[in-house]
Amino acid sequence: GAVVSQHPSWVICKSGTSVKIECRSLDFQATTMFWYRQFPKQSLMLMATSNEGSKATYEQGVEKDKFLINHASLTLSTLTVTSAHPEDSSFYICSARDQSGQWTDTQYFGPGTRLTVL
Amino acid sequence: GDSVTQMEGPVTLSEEAFLTINCTYTATGYPSLFWYVQYPGEGLQLLLKATKADDKGSNKGFEATYRKETTSFHLEKGSVQVSDSAVYFCALILTGFQKLVFGTGTRLLVSP
Repeated sequence: GAVVSQHPSWVICKSGTSVKIECRSLDFQATTMFWYRQFPKQSLMLMATSNEGSKATYEQGVEKDKFLINHASLTLSTLTVTSAHPEDSSFYICSARDQSGQWTDTQYFGPGTRLTVL
Repeated sequence: GDSVTQMEGPVTLSEEAFLTINCTYTATGYPSLFWYVQYPGEGLQLLLKATKADDKGSNKGFEATYRKETTSFHLEKGSVQVSDSAVYFCALILTGFQKLVFGTGTRLLVSP
């Protein structure tokens, strides 16, 4: 149980285009999902907290107009990188809280999406 | 602020050696503690967790005990395998809050 999927697993795009990444909780409902960014050989940096049916909460320094987050249902959150540039190339990972069970503090992570902007 | 400190890697071991990865934390409240593992090119997998003092989390031969007196949550395994090669992240979350606070990660390399 508690499986989180991401799609696509990798994407290559041209500079200036937009890319959408989906994060799905497959066997539980997640009112809260999180988006992280990870640079090579570094830890995860929280970008934003996504709450179903409301606006996302962005961490300091993260451009909300560039990284659009939508959490339209209890099983799906999307991250859209708008007008992508090479510096946006990174590994993006989502996670979701399973609040239905005993361990409500536990986040389950997706497999990640590697974005390369040319 | 709340933080997690992990030993720097890489940790290089031979197969069947004993593993310890140190993790200490600073928190204003009473956190839950986690170890996550990341295999190359993949996302994070929950390895084990503990929610209160003296709890021991265990999974796949790995163990960690929540030590409030030393604010530590060291990861141990009695006999590592090549397949354990990965990056291990220690993390905490405060009760009532949503944000995970991660350590910097420790890379483990196990050779045959």
